[in-house]
Amino acid sequence: KAGVTQTPRYLIKTRGQQVTLSCSPISGHRSVSWYQQTPGQGLQFLFEYFSETQRNKGNFPGRFSGRQFSNSRSEMNVSTLELGDSALYLCASSTGTAGSFLAFFGQGTRLTVV
Amino acid sequence: EDKVVQSPLSLVVHEGDTVTLNCSYEVTNFRSLLWYKQEKKAPTFLFMLTSSGIEKKSGRLSSILDKKELFSILNITATQTGDSAVYLCVRHNDMRFGAGTRLTVKP
Repeated sequence: KAGVTQTPRYLIKTRGQQVTLSCSPISGHRSVSWYQQTPGQGLQFLFEYFSETQRNKGNFPGRFSGRQFSNSRSEMNVSTLELGDSALYLCASSTGTAGSFLAFFGQGTRLTVV
Repeated sequence: EDKVVQSPLSLVVHEGDTVTLNCSYEVTNFRSLLWYKQEKKAPTFLFMLTSSGIEKKSGRLSSILDKKELFSILNITATQTGDSAVYLCVRHNDMRFGAGTRLTVKP
């Protein structure tokens, strides 16, 4: 059974650019959540998508957005990149049903903004 | 501010030692608390705790929740070098992570 796949694994962008990250969940999982991990702030929840709808949202500015497709694959977009957006971005998938928990994380995308 | 506080932030032990990691949380309408282990990038799930006083166990790892006092502990007995990792607790209501405890197990 394939795990959660995130692409690309590494990315270098210039300040002011925008970036799109991709996450393919485990087959059959309908929930995808995104997290940002930095040394200073730790792991922070960005948002969760379930059946193509944003179900929960963390406390991040509007520059951070996402979407989910009918096959449950999800993309996260960050516009007008800032140096502080440099981080490891993790996604996690679950069945998304009541009582479920986020058990499966991808390997992450390491974003560096220069 | 609702916080999830882990302690200690860092711990160095020798193989065979027993460690106890702590997680305290502030929340209303508690749902559950999760523990994860993060070695390199992808955190791996350890436990989900919903009920107070019921110990969850997996091999040398165990965890328990105290809903009255709003904390949880993660115990690791007979530690091995492979236990070296960052251990994260997560308040499931809003997926707020603690800062993690970095455990280093020396041979």
